[in-house]
Amino acid sequence: QKEVEQDPGPLSVPEGAIVSLNCTYSNSAFQYFMWYRQYSRKGPELLMYTYSSGNKEDGRFTAQVDKSSKYISLFIRDSQPSDSATYLCACHNFNKFYFGSGTKLNVKP
Amino acid sequence: DTAVSQTPKYLVTQMGNDKSIKCEQNLGHDTMYWYKQDSKKFLKIMFSYNNKELIINETVPNRFSPKSPDKAHLNLHINSLELGDSAVYFCASSRGENRGAYEQYFGPGTRLTVT
Repeated sequence: QKEVEQDPGPLSVPEGAIVSLNCTYSNSAFQYFMWYRQYSRKGPELLMYTYSSGNKEDGRFTAQVDKSSKYISLFIRDSQPSDSATYLCACHNFNKFYFGSGTKLNVKP
Repeated sequence: DTAVSQTPKYLVTQMGNDKSIKCEQNLGHDTMYWYKQDSKKFLKIMFSYNNKELIINETVPNRFSPKSPDKAHLNLHINSLELGDSAVYFCASSRGENRGAYEQYFGPGTRLTVT
């Protein structure tokens, strides 16, 4: 079993939809939770990070962590075609990093 | 200004060859990393250096040898390349080893193809 599991998709939604991306993890020692966006043939770009449980909002993006169920989510409101990319969740504790395999999102105009 | 840069962007080589990938960051970060991303987009950490010292060395064949001449550079040398080494290799950097580690900045990647 991988430390971080993520549905690879692809997920296809119409422009303006609310998108929900999710990951589960197995190690309860993880403290930091990140979401990265990766466009085709580019490096991952950090979108948001959250420490421990709770919500964090940044513009159209909201990251949510539920440590009791070991579940992390990223919500995208009013999705745009420019949001089409692969979204990677990641968990970190001290020197250990674990990434999900990424969910490919396609937002259709 | 490019924050984290890698060269070359593409590398096509034959099995058995030795090759190097270079990485430089101009962010003033203390920690640098090498990741391997396979064809299924799974990103796995290989090495991490903090102030030129190796702090993470995941289960990677010893054909892979990182070298950090200073804290702004982390190069990756690969000996005796194998078909399974074909992947995209990403360099990344962050402010610190622990507290700042979650805020990583990635380079554009080096697409290595071994034939």
